[in-house]
Amino acid sequence: QVQLVQSGAEVKKPGSSVKVSCEASGGTISRDAISWVRQAPGQGLEWMGGIIPTIGRPNYAQKFEERVTITADESTNTAYMEVSRLRSEDTAVYYCARGTMRSYLSVDYYMDVWGTGTTVIVSS
Amino acid sequence: DIQMTQSPSSLSASVGDRVTITCRASQSISNFLNWYQQEPGKAPKLLIYSTSTLQSGVPSRFSGSGSGTDFTLTINSLQPEDFATYSCQQSYTMPWTFGQGTKVEIK
Repeated sequence: QVQLVQSGAEVKKPGSSVKVSCEASGGTISRDAISWVRQAPGQGLEWMGGIIPTIGRPNYAQKFEERVTITADESTNTAYMEVSRLRSEDTAVYYCARGTMRSYLSVDYYMDVWGTGTTVIVSS
Repeated sequence: DIQMTQSPSSLSASVGDRVTITCRASQSISNFLNWYQQEPGKAPKLLIYSTSTLQSGVPSRFSGSGSGTDFTLTINSLQPEDFATYSCQQSYTMPWTFGQGTKVEIK
């Protein structure tokens, strides 16, 4: 079973950027669909976007299109999510999660393995 | 985007109770609805996918039903480890969207 280990907590200034990594062990994620989901304090889960590493072209929720970049490196079995021009409202826990490529490209996409979570605090 | 609305936002229940959580979609999503459980400070865990299929290892006291726009998660005989927040997610079309969550607390 694949396990997803994320990078550590970050404290950032408004206007800066943060890049979170999600490294897979116990299997390859090349043909999986890796999503990024965030959870602001006391709030619900919010899908930001995703990528299938072997295809390489990410998808984004419209809200995140301008400031979020999702990439993947097949050689290191790692996915990345970068948020630029950080605001205080970006303070949240960011999760990566995997699902199947087939469902991601059609219907019935569910996330059966979740990363460890990365807390990002944006504060001046 | 498809809006997912859960009710209630929170509930109090006792060990042994039967609990029902509702999730409503803003348009028909057929049976493409998933449920997650999240304990405080932990990552979500997949409970049920495709409305009613239990993920491997999930106890049979959990069940899901519904179709179209209205869905239900039922927990029979609530156990101490079930006190958590439950979220639904539609898997009909991108962007995949979640409900706001239902917190199940100890009465």
